[in-house]
Order: sequence, then C-alpha cells, then structure tokens
Amino acid sequence: AQTVTQSQPEMSVQEAETVTLSCTYDTSESDYYLFWYKQPPSRQMILVIRQEAYKQQNATENRFSVNFQKAAKSFSLKISDSQLGDAAMYFCAYASFSGNTPLVFGKGTRLSVIA
Amino acid sequence: DAEITQSPRHKITETGRQVTLACHQTWNHNNMFWYRQDLGHGLRLIHYSYGVQDTNKGEVSDGYSVSRSNTEDLPLTLESAASSQTSVYFCASSESALRETQYFGPGTRLLVL
Repeated sequence: AQTVTQSQPEMSVQEAETVTLSCTYDTSESDYYLFWYKQPPSRQMILVIRQEAYKQQNATENRFSVNFQKAAKSFSLKISDSQLGDAAMYFCAYASFSGNTPLVFGKGTRLSVIA
Repeated sequence: DAEITQSPRHKITETGRQVTLACHQTWNHNNMFWYRQDLGHGLRLIHYSYGVQDTNKGEVSDGYSVSRSNTEDLPLTLESAASSQTSVYFCASSESALRETQYFGPGTRLLVL
C-alpha cells in the first residue's frame, strides 16, 4: 500500500520569504499523481498544485512550485514571496494512475507566516 | 457555480445517539468521499462511493455507514455515536477516476458527549 509522509508537523516563514514543505511517498507504481492541498483556518481545503509522475517538468502555479524527484520519491512544495494568506495546513497526497483507489494523504504541515 | 455543501456545520450529540451528516454536491461528480480529520492523524478516509448505489469502506469505517441513492448526495450516518467519533468531518467529490482532483466541503465539527 502507498504511504505519504510529511516529516514537518509545523513550519514558519517570514512574510516575503521562501519556504519549502517536504513530502515523501512510498509506492511500487511507476505512474501516479501527486497533489498539494491547502486548508486555511476554518476554511475549505483547496488544491494548490498537481503533478503527473510521467511529466519530468515540475509543476508551477504562480508563487507555488514543486520539486519532484521521482527516483527519491520526494515531492516538496516551494512557496515564494510568502504572504499572510498562505498560513494554513498543507497536505500532500498520492493517487494511483489506475484510478482504482482513493487518494492517500500525509498528516499535514502547519505553516505559519510571520509579518 | 457548482459547489459542495455540508450540514450541519456544527453538531453536539450524546453517546449512543444516531447522527446523520449531510453532503450535497452540484458538480455532478461520480465519486464522493467522507473523511475525518483529527490532530496528529491528518485526513482519514471513512467511506467512498463511485456512483449511485455504490459504497466502499475506507480506512476507518467502523461505526459509520453511507448510502448513495442519487448523484448529488452522500449522507454519513453514525449508528451509535461514541466519544471517539468527536472530530471534524469533510466530504469531497471528484469527477470520474479516483486520481482526479477532489473538491472539499467546508466540514462538519461533531462533538459527542
């Protein structure tokens, strides 16, 4: 079974600085999808970014980018020019390419942004 | 705009009572999911459904049940609420394949006394 590990329960960053959230996963599959979800305080969880494993190019979405290292089974999220609104729980998730099993989530990283 | 809603947003109940949490989506998505979120455990899957009349158990299904009679709704029932079921519950949906992006509801905060 696949597992997703987020080794940093909490992190903090100064406003306007850059922060990287770590995620590693374990799988025997060669094709899969990886996601980062953001859960702001008392608000709905939303998708931040998504990466298909067969794509070598790292996904980017405005100030959010990933460093996808397939061989190392690592999928870190980089947030540039951090803003107060980036403060949230961030969840890394894995999905099998076959689409037969639901997402597997990590336990989350709580990010604080310091003004 | 399409959306996914949950009701109630907050619920207090007593041990042993039956509780039903509602989830309604207007995305016309085939797949729907129920998760619980607890400190230190992240999101854990309770039940999910691929479509009408289909339901499947997730990681922590004991004490919970779901039924899918239409595309839009997946109610979650706690048959006999226990204090261990105090949690925040999230409903989500996705279009077709389970690998696709999930859209989450706002959550229901349940307290079992």
